[in-house]
Amino acid sequence: DTGVSQDPRHKITKRGQNVTFRCDPISEHNRLYWYRQTLGQGPEFLTYFQNEAQLEKSRLLSDRFSAERPKGSFSTLEIQRTEQGDSAMYLCASSFWEGTEAFFGQGTRLTVV
Amino acid sequence: SQQGEEDPQALSIQEGENATMNCSYKTSINNLQWYRQNSGRGLVHLILIRSNEREKHSGRLRVTLDTSKKSSSLLITASRAADTASYFCATDIGAQKLVFGQGTRLTINP
Repeated sequence: DTGVSQDPRHKITKRGQNVTFRCDPISEHNRLYWYRQTLGQGPEFLTYFQNEAQLEKSRLLSDRFSAERPKGSFSTLEIQRTEQGDSAMYLCASSFWEGTEAFFGQGTRLTVV
Repeated sequence: SQQGEEDPQALSIQEGENATMNCSYKTSINNLQWYRQNSGRGLVHLILIRSNEREKHSGRLRVTLDTSKKSSSLLITASRAADTASYFCATDIGAQKLVFGQGTRLTINP
């Protein structure tokens, strides 16, 4: 399967714990995006990378969220001191270049209890 | 904030009928994209239409774009049960990211 893969698919964590998600984009894609989606809503932009450079981060994103893309390959999204409001589907997408279609992974569903 | 607004929020039709969903947006765009999402799954790209295009087809899908009205429509012809999903429009506003609407939930009844 050469699509975008995300790991884990599901994560249940206790409030206050840290969690980390991984995304492996399509190999030749330069751009990588993270989105968050809650039930009944559309995906909400979190951040994106052009190769290894993080070029934009949503102002809605608190300092508890951090993302990396070392060497411009896979990416990780870490949430520190999780809160119940962080419960959502976290989606990763990649695209070849600006203005082209984005390909999404299956998402990581986070539940904070 | 959401730039695109889909209409209707929910649509239920009989199998074989056509389904039309609309998307309105607020600012100028480079392109507009439509995605499908089955329950609890990732998004699947359907079609991309650039700002200088007015209509595009892909199989049973037809997308139109009216930049003067800042609106787009997605038509699915001869609907099938497998078309049951949520459909999202996403606008590329040149800010290096896609901005999604809240989606239309489409149900195809057998």
